[in-house]
Amino acid sequence: QQQVKQSPQSLIVQKGGISIINCAYENTAFDYFPWYQQFPGKGPALLIAIRPDVSEKKEGRFTISFNKSAKQFSLHIMDSQPGDSATYFCAASGGNFNKFYFGSGTKLNVKP
Amino acid sequence: DAMVIQNPRYQVTQFGKPVTLSCSQTLNHNVMYWYQQKSSQAPKLLFHYYDKDFNNEADTPDNFQSRRPNTSFCFLDIRSPGLGDAAMYLCATSRDLGGTGELFFGEGSRLTVL
Repeated sequence: QQQVKQSPQSLIVQKGGISIINCAYENTAFDYFPWYQQFPGKGPALLIAIRPDVSEKKEGRFTISFNKSAKQFSLHIMDSQPGDSATYFCAASGGNFNKFYFGSGTKLNVKP
Repeated sequence: DAMVIQNPRYQVTQFGKPVTLSCSQTLNHNVMYWYQQKSSQAPKLLFHYYDKDFNNEADTPDNFQSRRPNTSFCFLDIRSPGLGDAAMYLCATSRDLGGTGELFFGEGSRLTVL
């Protein structure tokens, strides 16, 4: 059973637009939801993370929206820039789980 | 400064020829992980160490082994690489288990199998 489902698989956005990536999770025991950004040939790096006690977290142009009842969370990139072009992975963990469950990734291409 | 360092960055081996990938960390984290990532896919956890305790994922092939001689270093041994083992191998660390803290990834080691 896939614990974290991510969509879309790929996304093309014009410079200055809003990029939105969605994730849904299965297990209500998860209590930590990070987003990782990965550039080609590099390891993933933590971008932003949220815990279920808040519905939104913002860091600069990046915002996570969290809907506990729907078991969904999303990443919003405001004023998207070509430098944001990368693959984004959502993940979930916590509770009794000793590992992170990753989504399948979204390849974002921001066109100049 | 790099906190999780992987060597080599690129490794080419022949079918069936053993390979060792290394990972070192300066974070003094308790947990070290090895992930396999194939093109356009999510990282797949192979195993992790909590201190010296080794935890293997149920679906990790026996062909993959790991060693953690001390807190700072962890090795991934692929005993007989097959063509299907060509991938990026990512080492990561976290302070503790439970998945409640940040995962710090290395830059990865890209393995090519000829």
